[in-house]
Amino acid sequence: AQSVSQHNHHVILSEAASLELGCNYSYGGTVNLFWYVQYPGQHLQLLLKYFSGDPLVKGIKGFEAEFIKSKFSFNLRKPSVQWSDTAEYFCAVNARGTPLVFGKGTRLSVIA
Amino acid sequence: EAGVAQSPRYKIIEKRQSVAFWCNPISGHATLYWYQQILGQGPKLLIQFQNNGVVDDSQLPKDRFSAERLKGVDSTLKIQPAKLEDSAVYLCASSLAGRSYSGNTIYFGEGSWLTVV
Repeated sequence: AQSVSQHNHHVILSEAASLELGCNYSYGGTVNLFWYVQYPGQHLQLLLKYFSGDPLVKGIKGFEAEFIKSKFSFNLRKPSVQWSDTAEYFCAVNARGTPLVFGKGTRLSVIA
Repeated sequence: EAGVAQSPRYKIIEKRQSVAFWCNPISGHATLYWYQQILGQGPKLLIQFQNNGVVDDSQLPKDRFSAERLKGVDSTLKIQPAKLEDSAVYLCASSLAGRSYSGNTIYFGEGSWLTVV
């Protein structure tokens, strides 16, 4: 069965610092990849997604993610975080015939 | 557009009692999902409907959990009898119709928080 690993449980950054959240998945076939974000008190929202094509995907609010097939990775990046980016971030993957599987999430705290 | 609606938002029950959660998906979305999110973990799919038919319920604990989507629109998830380990957020989500796992974006509701004491 496929699985998703998010390396960091809790990340604390100062405003304007750069962000990279790791995500690795275990599945050998063609996959769809997603990053969801959950702001405090709000529902899960799609940040960005990769289906095919350019492995560098740009999402909302200045986030981007790069799909590296050889490393089974889909890391999320942002060059300069803001206090409003404080949230929980979930990586998710699915493939044909399998349900969407989420990682355990990474909590990001941005401090002034 | 209106999002996925869920109720109740919060519920506290004693173990062995029953509880039901309701979900109304985004208008026009034929696919509806129920996820369970335990504290500190990512959401886990319990059941997926395509219109009023079940597509995947492999991770639904069928001895105590049931779900229905009789008219292909709103859905109800029931737990009876509840156990302490059922304490979690129950997320309803929906997406456009399409082949299963086609990669359509899944939109989530705010969740129903269940505490079993």
